[in-house]
Amino acid sequence: EAGVAQSPRYKIIEKRQSVAFWCNPISGHATLYWYQQILGQGPKLLIQFQNNGVVDDSQLPKDRFSAERLKGVDSTLKIQPAKLEDSAVYLCASSSTSGGAEQYFGPGTRLTVT
Amino acid sequence: AQSVTQLGSHVSVSEGALVLLRCNYSSSVPPYLFWYVQYPNQGLQLLLKYTSAATLVKGINGFEAEFKKSETSFHLTKPSAHMSDAAEYFCAVHTNTGNQFYFGTGTSLTVIP
Repeated sequence: EAGVAQSPRYKIIEKRQSVAFWCNPISGHATLYWYQQILGQGPKLLIQFQNNGVVDDSQLPKDRFSAERLKGVDSTLKIQPAKLEDSAVYLCASSSTSGGAEQYFGPGTRLTVT
Repeated sequence: AQSVTQLGSHVSVSEGALVLLRCNYSSSVPPYLFWYVQYPNQGLQLLLKYTSAATLVKGINGFEAEFKKSETSFHLTKPSAHMSDAAEYFCAVHTNTGNQFYFGTGTSLTVIP
């Protein structure tokens, strides 16, 4: 089966610009996660979707970050405007259910904000 | 709030030696526990997971981990390190209360030939 797809793989933008990342989960996976992984740290959950509904976005900086999963399949994460501290790898993961189900990760998008 | 502590951000072992990567968690209820591996420029891959069945969990590539409730630990081991084991390893915890995943800060494993 195809894995989790993410694009782009790399993105360089200037501060105050906008950027969007796309994720296509494994077919049939109801739960989708976006993580931020800053260099030298573990992934931090930004938002979790169950189908097209948000389960948890408590750590999403809502003044600049937004995410949607309109049809309950693929998802987009947007940053507007970007700050220097947003430089990180943005990982998307999906699982068949929530709870203790294994998460399958995409390769990530490396964002550099200059 | 949950937390996951990985002792040792960098671990070096000789090829063929025992690998021990430490993970402690804070939880008032038995959690789900995971170990993931991340190779350079790749996403995370599940090594193994504990979901309240057997306390000794066997994973891929010869790794295993033991859940010790009394010590709130879930250390990862491998009897004999291989060069291909060099990577970043993350411990993660999930509890049904709050429904969140928490990752540790990671341990970078170097295998010396």
